[in-house]
Amino acid sequence: AQTIHQWPVAEIKAVGSPLSLGCTIKGKSSPNLYWYWQATGGTLQQLFYSITVGQVESVVQLNLSASRPKDDQFILSTEKLLLSHSGFYLCAWRGGSYEQYFGPGTRLTVL
Amino acid sequence: SQLAEENSWALSVHEGESVTVNCSYKTSITALQWYRQKSGKGPAQLILIRSNEREKRNGRLRATLDTSSQSSSLSITATRCEDTAVYFCATPRSSGSWQLIFGSGTQLTVMP
Repeated sequence: AQTIHQWPVAEIKAVGSPLSLGCTIKGKSSPNLYWYWQATGGTLQQLFYSITVGQVESVVQLNLSASRPKDDQFILSTEKLLLSHSGFYLCAWRGGSYEQYFGPGTRLTVL
Repeated sequence: SQLAEENSWALSVHEGESVTVNCSYKTSITALQWYRQKSGKGPAQLILIRSNEREKRNGRLRATLDTSSQSSSLSITATRCEDTAVYFCATPRSSGSWQLIFGSGTQLTVMP
């Protein structure tokens, strides 16, 4: 069975500080991976997707970047956090058709 | 504007009652999905219904799709407190697209 893990569970960071969020999926070879952002009480906004190691496509520019250093790992980062980066970050992988399977998420608070 | 949109921001029912969440979408689709997100958790897919299907069931859940009116509904029968969650519909941005567009969600509260 596939499992998806995100770290950290939650972060409180200062404006202007760097950020790195991680996602690891086990039990799925060469998964299509996605990063989403969700404002409190809001919908899910897809940020990035990756179909293979070293390849990442951006969907929305939010002063964030993503990388796929390993087949099972997806990283979201920025060098300078903004207040608007606060929210819930979710990693997901795509199943056989259109369905996506989400991780538990990381709650980010920027002060 | 949203490609997919739920028609109610919030609904509340009592345990045991049935409830329906509606969704409308703006483009031709190949499939529509319903997701449920409990507080503080990642969303979980409930049902995927393809454009050539009128109805799909999953236990107490029933999804319908009307391509002529570009709408879908998700019905839950015999609701339980643990059905309390936000329900989203989602569609691919375009045929064959990897990108899912989520509606704004409907908060369902099931009261004891």
